[in-house]
Amino acid sequence: EVELVESGGGLVEPGGSLRLSCEASGFTFRTYSMNWVRQAPGKGLEWVSSIDSSSSYIYYADSLKGRFTISRDNAKNSLYLHMNSLRAEDTAMYYCVRSSRAVVAAGNWFDSWGQGTQVTVSS
Amino acid sequence: QSVLTQPPSVSGAPGQRVTISCTGSSSNIGAGYAVHWYQQFPGTAPQLLVYENNNRPSGVPDRFSGSKSGTIASLAIAGLQAEDEADYYCQSFDSSLSGWVFGGGTKLTVL
Repeated sequence: EVELVESGGGLVEPGGSLRLSCEASGFTFRTYSMNWVRQAPGKGLEWVSSIDSSSSYIYYADSLKGRFTISRDNAKNSLYLHMNSLRAEDTAMYYCVRSSRAVVAAGNWFDSWGQGTQVTVSS
Repeated sequence: QSVLTQPPSVSGAPGQRVTISCTGSSSNIGAGYAVHWYQQFPGTAPQLLVYENNNRPSGVPDRFSGSKSGTIASLAIAGLQAEDEADYYCQSFDSSLSGWVFGGGTKLTVL
């Protein structure tokens, strides 16, 4: 069974940094592209970033403007999201999500989701 | 403002059929990119419901069906059940934004 377990969320002050982690199990992690999707309180879903199976291709939502960095360690079956210069509007539940393919493709869908880790940016 | 537009809410009585629309544009649905649908219960993570316009993952009842025409995709739920009460999101790719986009979500209420 596919399992994605996020960690690393918490309360951080504006301008601060945080690193989210996602530990994957139940499937061959190195053969899937992975993503981060977030959901602000009471709001809809927002795609954040995608990385292909070999870390060769990485994509970010324009709204992030270089503040976030996605990475993965296939040897540790783990996905990461480094978040810098955090703002109040980054407050959200952050989900680790598996894509349907190894490559990051326009037609990909998000077939497995973790339970999420909450990030709150506030002073 | 979401790139894909969904009605904020829909409702129906048990046993009825409801549809949820997802309206896009020429840079996403109208460009031929596939549409996928997710179901989210309160306090839980979304789950894939329909992929590539009209395909269901194993375990999803055939009461759920998807379709797409032009710039509009739709999710139909037949034989409504109380357990279908949830939020539903459509998702596609947008070439102008070079990224994956979601609809704003639709809350389904079973009367």
